[in-house]
Amino acid sequence: SYELTQPPSVSVSPGQTARITCSGDALPKQYAYWYQQKPGQAPVLVIYKDSERPSGIPERFSGSSSGTTVTLTISGVQAEDEADYYCQSADSSGTYGVFGGGTKLTVL
Amino acid sequence: EVQLLESGGGLVQPGGSLRLSCAASGFTFSSYAMSWVRQAPGKGLEWVSAISGSGGSTYYADSVKGRFTISRDNSKNTLYLQMNSLRAEDTAVYYCAKGGNWNDVVGVNYWGQGTLVTVSS
Repeated sequence: SYELTQPPSVSVSPGQTARITCSGDALPKQYAYWYQQKPGQAPVLVIYKDSERPSGIPERFSGSSSGTTVTLTISGVQAEDEADYYCQSADSSGTYGVFGGGTKLTVL
Repeated sequence: EVQLLESGGGLVQPGGSLRLSCAASGFTFSSYAMSWVRQAPGKGLEWVSAISGSGGSTYYADSVKGRFTISRDNSKNTLYLQMNSLRAEDTAVYYCAKGGNWNDVVGVNYWGQGTLVTVSS
C-alpha cells in the first residue's frame, strides 16, 4: 500500500523557521494537504493543494512541492504552533487516501 | 457555520457491529465529498473511507475494505459508517470530515469532534 514519510519530530526556537517534509512516490501527481492537531482537539487544515492557505490560517504557514517531497514551512514559529502535523495525499490512481505518520513540532 | 456532529460510538465486542452517524449542517451537503478518518489512542491519523457528493463513488482503506460500508443520505444531511466484524485494532476516535471540493478522496477542510469506538471483550 502507498505510504507517506514524515520525520517523527522537529524542534525549533521561537522566531525561527520550522520545515516539515513529507515524501511519497505519487506526490508529483497528487496534491498534498497539511493538518495541525493539538492535544485533545480535532485536526485543522493549514495548507491545501500543496501550497494554498485556507482563510484564517496565519501567513507564517506555507507549503511547497518539489518532486516526490512536499514541505510545510512555518516562519517565525510561535509557542502556539507546537502541535502534531500530518500530511495527506492520495495514491497515483487517486482512489486511496493516506496520511503521513505525523511530525511533532516542539517549540523550545 | 459548518457543523459536523458524530454519534454512535461506544463499546462493542470483537466480531460485533456498530453504525456511526454524522449530522452535517451549514453547507450544501450533497455538493461535497465526505470522509471518515480515525485515530487510535496515542497514534496518528488513519484515512478510513470517503464518498462522493452524490454517493455514487466510495473509497476504502485496505484495513477496512469488506468490513466497513460508507453511505450518505443527502435528504437528511447525514453521513454513515457501518462497521462489521470489528476487531480490537479498530479501537479509535472516528472523525467525520467534509471534503474541500478538490478531490473526493483526500483534502478535508472541516472536522467533527469525533466519536470513540472501543472494541473489547
